[in-house]
Amino acid sequence: EVQLVESGGGLVQPGGSLKLSCAASGFSFSSYEMNWVRQAPGKGLEWLSYMSGSGASIYYADSVKGRFTISRDNAKNSLYLQMTSLRAEDTAVYYCAREGDDTLLYMDYWGQGTLVTVSS
Amino acid sequence: QSVLTQPPSLSGAPGQRVTISCTGSSSNIGAGYDVHWYQQLPGTAPKLLIYGNSNRPSGVPDRFSGSKSGTSASLAITGLQTEDEADYYCQSYDTSLGVHWVFGGGTKLTVL
Repeated sequence: EVQLVESGGGLVQPGGSLKLSCAASGFSFSSYEMNWVRQAPGKGLEWLSYMSGSGASIYYADSVKGRFTISRDNAKNSLYLQMTSLRAEDTAVYYCAREGDDTLLYMDYWGQGTLVTVSS
Repeated sequence: QSVLTQPPSLSGAPGQRVTISCTGSSSNIGAGYDVHWYQQLPGTAPKLLIYGNSNRPSGVPDRFSGSKSGTSASLAITGLQTEDEADYYCQSYDTSLGVHWVFGGGTKLTVL
């Protein structure tokens, strides 16, 4: 069974940093591209970042480029999101999601999410 | 402002058929990229409902169907059930500068 479990969320002050983790199981992690997607309270879904299975290809949304860094450790079956210079508008539930198909470009499995609150 | 446009809300009675539209542009749906749909039940993570415009993952009832034409797509739900009350999001890929995977703003479906 495919499982994605996020962790690392919490309360952080504006300007602060936080590192999210996503532990994957039930599939060959290194063979799959992965994404981070967030959802602000009461709002819709926003794609943030993508990383290929090898880590060679990385993309970011403009809203987080230069502040967030995606990474992965295939030996540990884990995906990460390092977030810096956090702002109030970064408050959201952060999901990791597996890329279902590298040609159709959709996300077939999602974690339960971890809440990040940026507030003083 | 979302790249893909969906109606914010929709409602229907049990047993009815509803359709949710998703309108894009020449840089995403109109460029030939597939449309995918996700269902988000209250308080839960999104779940893949339709991929590749019209394909259902295993376990998704055939009451749910998707289609795409030109720069738009739609999700149809027939035989509406109370458990279908959820938020629905369309998603595609965009070649505009600074965006890649794009979502619609979401449609809240209420089953009356």
